[in-house]
Amino acid sequence: QKEVEQNSGPLSVPEGAIASLNCTYSDRGSQSFFWYRQYSGKSPELIMFIYSNGDKEDGRFTAQLNKASQYVSLLIRDSQPSDSATYLCAAGGSRTGGFKTIFGAGTRLFVKA
Amino acid sequence: EADIYQTPRYLVIGTGKKITLECSQTMGHDKMYWYQQDPGMELHLIHYSYGVNSTEKGDLSSESTVSRIRTEHFPLTLESARPSHTSQYLCASSGDSPKSSYNEQFFGPGTRLTVL
Repeated sequence: QKEVEQNSGPLSVPEGAIASLNCTYSDRGSQSFFWYRQYSGKSPELIMFIYSNGDKEDGRFTAQLNKASQYVSLLIRDSQPSDSATYLCAAGGSRTGGFKTIFGAGTRLFVKA
Repeated sequence: EADIYQTPRYLVIGTGKKITLECSQTMGHDKMYWYQQDPGMELHLIHYSYGVNSTEKGDLSSESTVSRIRTEHFPLTLESARPSHTSQYLCASSGDSPKSSYNEQFFGPGTRLTVL
């Protein structure tokens, strides 16, 4: 079992729809969670971080965290073709994990115009 | 304005050459990382550092070495490059700074290495 698991996709949604990206993690000691966007050939770019249970909204993006279920998600509202990218989920801040940040393999998102 | 720099951006070299990939950050971060990523594939951590004179090997076995003599600088060296080293190398940093407080990692633009 990978420490941070994501569905590799591709996830395909029409323009204007809500894209829902999911992630689970195995280390219960993880304290902080991140979503990165990576365009093809580019380096990852931080979109959001979350560390408390519940929702955190930033523009069209909402991150959701449920520590009891060890589950993190990212919702993208009003999806645009420019949102087409690979989205990386990451978990970090665990004492047992040496405070390292562990990245998932990423979910590829395609937004169809 | 870039806060984390990598040079060169692209490098094509022959087998057996020694190369050093440079990474510098101006954010005052104490932690720095090197990742290897093939096109369309996941990130693999190859080295990390939690501060000056601290270096650790990551999860992916690598024939490269790193050093951390200054906080802002974290170079990666391949003593003898081979075609199997062809990949994208990404440097990242994290730590408390005016721009970050939860150890989120910021990535440089990457170095695309091709070994012939």
